[in-house]
Amino acid sequence: GEDVEQSLFLSVREGDSSVINCTYTDSSSTYLYWYKQEPGAGLQLLTYIFSNMDMKQDQRLTVLLNKKDKHLSLRIADTQTGDSAIYFCAESPGAGSYQLTFGKGTKLSVIP
Amino acid sequence: NAGVTQTPKFQVLKTGQSMTLQCAQDMNHEYMSWYRQDPGMGLRLIHYSVGAGITDQGEVPNGYNVSRSTTEDFPLRLLSAAPSQTSVYFCASSWIAGDSYGYTFGSGTRLTVV
Repeated sequence: GEDVEQSLFLSVREGDSSVINCTYTDSSSTYLYWYKQEPGAGLQLLTYIFSNMDMKQDQRLTVLLNKKDKHLSLRIADTQTGDSAIYFCAESPGAGSYQLTFGKGTKLSVIP
Repeated sequence: NAGVTQTPKFQVLKTGQSMTLQCAQDMNHEYMSWYRQDPGMGLRLIHYSVGAGITDQGEVPNGYNVSRSTTEDFPLRLLSAAPSQTSVYFCASSWIAGDSYGYTFGSGTRLTVV
């Protein structure tokens, strides 16, 4: 079945860039997502990218997709303490299937 | 526009008890789903529905029932609670149309089974 892998922890200093990586196995993945979960809260959609795109930028967030290697990354520029959270990568086959397969999440800790 | 509303936010059950986790959305989304989140496991799909009257099983459906009598509501029933069902439960709703999509999660229900 589908599998989404992420590293579990990342620690960065405030002001530096954070890069969170994700790999997936389903070659039919059409939509790839990044969600943010703060302690005790639900999941907040940060951004998403379609499989026919290589890059998407949204303010401090940059998503890079290497479809050949099935590798997705999320770069957060000028990381702030408010960015400390768990970040989930998720994929979906898209049209005809709304189901999401999630990675286990990367806990980002920002050091002041 | 409240989005996806889950109730209750917290619940403690004794083993063998039954209960229903409520989920309601006011966005007229066709697709709704239930996930459970366990430490180190990420989110796993329990059940989903592609529209009123249609439900199907996800990755971990055992011990749970769902129904979808209206577009707005998608309750999750625990038939006989077990400690293994201690988890955080998230309801979500979504639509996809062309290159646009929406996927909204509720704030979660924290369930403890003792």
